Amino acid sequence: TQLLEQSPQFLSIQEGENLTVYCNSSSVFSSLQWYRQEPGEGPVLLVTVVTGGEVKKLKRLTFQFGDARKDSSLHITAAQPGDTGLYLCAGVEGGSNYKLTFGKGTLLTVNP
Amino acid sequence: DTEVTQTPKHLVMGMTNKKSLKCEQHMGHRAMYWYKQKAKKPPELMFVYSYEKLSINESVPSRFSPECPNSSLLNLHLHALQPEDSALYLCASSARLAPGYNEQFFGPGTRLTVL
Repeated sequence: TQLLEQSPQFLSIQEGENLTVYCNSSSVFSSLQWYRQEPGEGPVLLVTVVTGGEVKKLKRLTFQFGDARKDSSLHITAAQPGDTGLYLCAGVEGGSNYKLTFGKGTLLTVNP
Repeated sequence: DTEVTQTPKHLVMGMTNKKSLKCEQHMGHRAMYWYKQKAKKPPELMFVYSYEKLSINESVPSRFSPECPNSSLLNLHLHALQPEDSALYLCASSARLAPGYNEQFFGPGTRLTVL
């Protein structure tokens, strides 16, 4: 059983469309990060959320941490081809753990 | 500066070769990590160093040998690898190993091909 379920696994959209990626778990996470990774490169940290209900915005990207800290979402407004990449959510479960658990990722393609 | 650097960018080696991957960070971070990533999969943790001491070995085969010479450097020594070890090897660092919070910064990776 995957601790962090990410959906959708694949997403292909046209430039200008909006999209949402979800990261869900039955476990409580103390903190959660979103990364974007391009082919052959390392993941780039986009945001870290730590407080239940927290919303963070990064230009056209909006990140939300669920009130119960069991889920998170990434919403992209007016997607651009430069947003293409693998989006990974990763979190630290519970309060005493420090190992980062990754979701399987969402492969996003934004077509011009 | 939130940069983690890795060398080389690409590495091709035979199964009898010995090679090393290098990682460096100058953010003052005291925790450093090695991950292995296969295509279209999330990174898999291999090793964790905290204050230059090995804290976690995720049951990695002994043909992978990590080394942390100082707080800025992390090496991964490779010997007698198998073709299935071909992957993207990622280094990451975080301020420290803090329970409940582990914001990691990744390097660009080394693309390893074992022939």
